[in-house]
Amino acid sequence: NAGVTQTPKFRVLKTGQSMTLLCAQDMNHEYMYWYRQDPGMGLRLIHYSVGEGTTAKGEVPDGYNVSRLKKQNFLLGLESAAPSQTSVYFCATQTGTLVNTEAFFGQGTRLTVV
Amino acid sequence: GENVEQHPSTLSVQEGDSAVIKCTYSDSASNYFPWYKQELGKGPQLIIDIRSNVGEKKDQRIAVTLNKTAKHFSLHITETQPEDSAVYFCAPRNNYGQNFVFGPGTRLSVLP
Repeated sequence: NAGVTQTPKFRVLKTGQSMTLLCAQDMNHEYMYWYRQDPGMGLRLIHYSVGEGTTAKGEVPDGYNVSRLKKQNFLLGLESAAPSQTSVYFCATQTGTLVNTEAFFGQGTRLTVV
Repeated sequence: GENVEQHPSTLSVQEGDSAVIKCTYSDSASNYFPWYKQELGKGPQLIIDIRSNVGEKKDQRIAVTLNKTAKHFSLHITETQPEDSAVYFCAPRNNYGQNFVFGPGTRLSVLP
């Protein structure tokens, strides 16, 4: 039982390159989230999904795209990376029932855009 | 949307002392009040949560108190230990909200 797994853990990109971050969960959770964390800025929501085939914008969605083709996977894409996207990215999941419950986080992906 | 603040932003205490972090929120419909702890290099992890029908909850050295009228809840850590050093986030939520909004975080340092 791995919980929430993020791939890769580290990556260095050149400006303009593209990449996809993968979040995989084995807890059968409906809700999945992508956050970015910058020094002194806390966690900011990029995009989220409330179920397979659904996505929605969060607080800072510009420059990112997401897909949820399978319930267990939530992908975050950067089409043309910019230095401002240098950050640590966290994926989180939650059961999605009406009763609020714990959110489970991955270990993070540290992305540097040069 | 929900506006969430935490105070203080940084807190240093001597080992063995108590620490209190306060979270204020704007949405009066919020009914779930969790606290997350983030250790260096790791993702946040839930340490304690409380629901709106309860005023206080305790789990060993940590406790959470809720004042729904004033729209704030607080994390209390007693007999602090070096391993309590971390960043703490609150994330109040209501039943119809589909996303988590986190507070800006409080960095706690426990000095030996």
